[in-house]
Amino acid sequence: AQSVTQLDSQVPVFEEAPVELRCNYSSSVSVYLFWYVQYPNQGLQLLLKYLSGSTLVKGINGFEAEFNKSQTSFHLRKPSVHISDTAEYFCAVEGNTGFQKLVFGTGTRLLVSP
Amino acid sequence: DGGITQSPKYLFRKEGQNVTLSCEQNLNHDAMYWYRQDPGQGLRLIYYSQIVNDFQKGDIAEGYSVSREKKESFPLTVTSAQKNPTAFYLCASRGQGFYEQYFGPGTRLTVT
Repeated sequence: AQSVTQLDSQVPVFEEAPVELRCNYSSSVSVYLFWYVQYPNQGLQLLLKYLSGSTLVKGINGFEAEFNKSQTSFHLRKPSVHISDTAEYFCAVEGNTGFQKLVFGTGTRLLVSP
Repeated sequence: DGGITQSPKYLFRKEGQNVTLSCEQNLNHDAMYWYRQDPGQGLRLIYYSQIVNDFQKGDIAEGYSVSREKKESFPLTVTSAQKNPTAFYLCASRGQGFYEQYFGPGTRLTVT
């Protein structure tokens, strides 16, 4: 089974500042990793995913994440945030053998202020 | 436009009543999922279906039921046996050969 820990429930940041949202996972098998974004009262939208290969993954809206197998982490970064990035961000993990469930972290609320 | 629709957006029911949440997709995806979202708890899997006429319990299936009679549709019934049904419910789907799930806009259910 897999589990995901998002270490920060809320991250306040000023507009145009850089941000990092942290995600750690545990799994006994190799994994696929995902970051999703949720705007208020909406569904989830995929930001980016890591399946294999290059450990630096680029996604939509200027976000990127780095897979670190030794530290079992998949932190999300953006060099300069906008007000419109205010949302909830979810890290998720799925084992890559056979049918595996997608397991979500508890989310990090990113609050961007002017 | 391909996507997942969930209706209604907001739903209000009295305690003791069953209620059915709709989920329809026109993405031709084989797999469909239902999640429940509560504040501070992330998403938890209720039921999933990998093909028509087959579905499996997720982590919190008690008090819920589903059907999968058509590829496009995966309705969720919240029964009176569900102790705490007030939540935000999200439907998702995944196509064969794809790794990510696509989510609908969600239904917010309030039971009083």
